[in-house]
Amino acid sequence: EAGVAQSPRYKIIEKRQSVAFWCNPISGHATLYWYQQILGQGPKLLIQFQNNGVVDDSQLPKDRFSAERLKGVDSTLKIQPAKLEDSAVYLCASSLGTGAPDTFGSGTRLTVV
Amino acid sequence: GEDVEQSLFLSVREGDSSVINCTYTDSSSTYLYWYKQEPGAGLQLLTYIFSNMDMKQDQRLTVLLNKKDKHLSLRIADTQTGDSAIYFCAERMDTGRRALTFGSGTRLQVQP
Repeated sequence: EAGVAQSPRYKIIEKRQSVAFWCNPISGHATLYWYQQILGQGPKLLIQFQNNGVVDDSQLPKDRFSAERLKGVDSTLKIQPAKLEDSAVYLCASSLGTGAPDTFGSGTRLTVV
Repeated sequence: GEDVEQSLFLSVREGDSSVINCTYTDSSSTYLYWYKQEPGAGLQLLTYIFSNMDMKQDQRLTVLLNKKDKHLSLRIADTQTGDSAIYFCAERMDTGRRALTFGSGTRLQVQP
């Protein structure tokens, strides 16, 4: 079974630029999650989708972050404009149900300079 | 509010048992999870326990839950060098906002 695919693996941008991350979950997994993991901390949920609907985006900074999962399969997360404090690893995860993520991708490490 | 705390670092010798501890503050948490993160990789769900259980065993892993003290532990028997990783505990409520709250992780170092 293929895992959760994420790209790019690394990204370095200047502050105020925009960036987009892509995620392809495990086939058949209805629930997709985006997490932000700042160095030395546990992951923090940004947004959770079930199929193509948003279940929880309460911690997503909506003035600069957006995410979509138009066809209920793959998803993109965008930051525009980026700030220095957005430097983190962005993890995508998926699961069959809505309980908890069981499979994570390797993440995209974002550095904002 | 929700808060999950873990010690930062644990070092053990290969073959010994490891015990990783976690405390949480939300008494309405109904699910508690353990994840493993190897360097440069995403998290891997190891095991979970419902709050109405005291213990769960899965091969080399034993989870103990003390609900009165809001204390969760993960015991790894016969620890191997491949167990070296960061271990995160996480809690989730069954009502309201159901997102997981993660601790900051415990780095387990296994000495050969």
